[in-house]
Amino acid sequence: GENVEQHPSTLSVQEGDSAVIKCTYSDSASNYFPWYKQELGKRPQLIIDIRSNVGEKKDQRIAVTLNKTAKHFSLHITETQPEDSAVYFCAASMSGTASKLTFGTGTRLQVTL
Amino acid sequence: SAVISQKPSRDICQRGTSLTIQCQVDSQVTMMFWYRQQPGQSLTLIATANQGSEATYESGFVIDKFPISRPNLTFSTLTVSNMSPEDSSIYLCSVDPGHTEAFFGQGTRLTVV
Repeated sequence: GENVEQHPSTLSVQEGDSAVIKCTYSDSASNYFPWYKQELGKRPQLIIDIRSNVGEKKDQRIAVTLNKTAKHFSLHITETQPEDSAVYFCAASMSGTASKLTFGTGTRLQVTL
Repeated sequence: SAVISQKPSRDICQRGTSLTIQCQVDSQVTMMFWYRQQPGQSLTLIATANQGSEATYESGFVIDKFPISRPNLTFSTLTVSNMSPEDSSIYLCSVDPGHTEAFFGQGTRLTVV
């Protein structure tokens, strides 16, 4: 089955700096790659996603890039703010939808003042 | 979008007993998904619940341990049977109503003592 690796496991940045989280997947059949943010004690919430027919997608301060050849995708957060502090999970699916997601191990992002 | 209500939000149970978790969605969905999130860990898919047929379990999860019901298109239950401390986790249900985004319930925090 699919395996998703995520790095780093923890990341500390100063407010205003950029943060980058990287994921690699094992199955070339995967075609949908969402990113979730989970605040402490809360449910995961989608922040951005990308499908395999697109190389990059941006939404305000958040962007995701996908390299199908290398089987990796990355989350970029610019101008970080304290409210960006949370655990971020990447995921992959072979269905082209958010059905049956395989999640990465998570990155705890801490944005310091 | 979808609004998911999960009950109970938390419980402390004795080993050897069973707990049934309920998940109610505000719209009809074909598939409902059950995930487990062990303390400080990522989310792992347990099974997919389809209305009118038996649930499909992922590798490492079996029906005897995690029986699932799906009586209609808006409701599902997951039972954690014959619990041991290793079952202490957060259990989340999820739906993908428009095949565009996964929505999660608030989770059930289970502690087995």
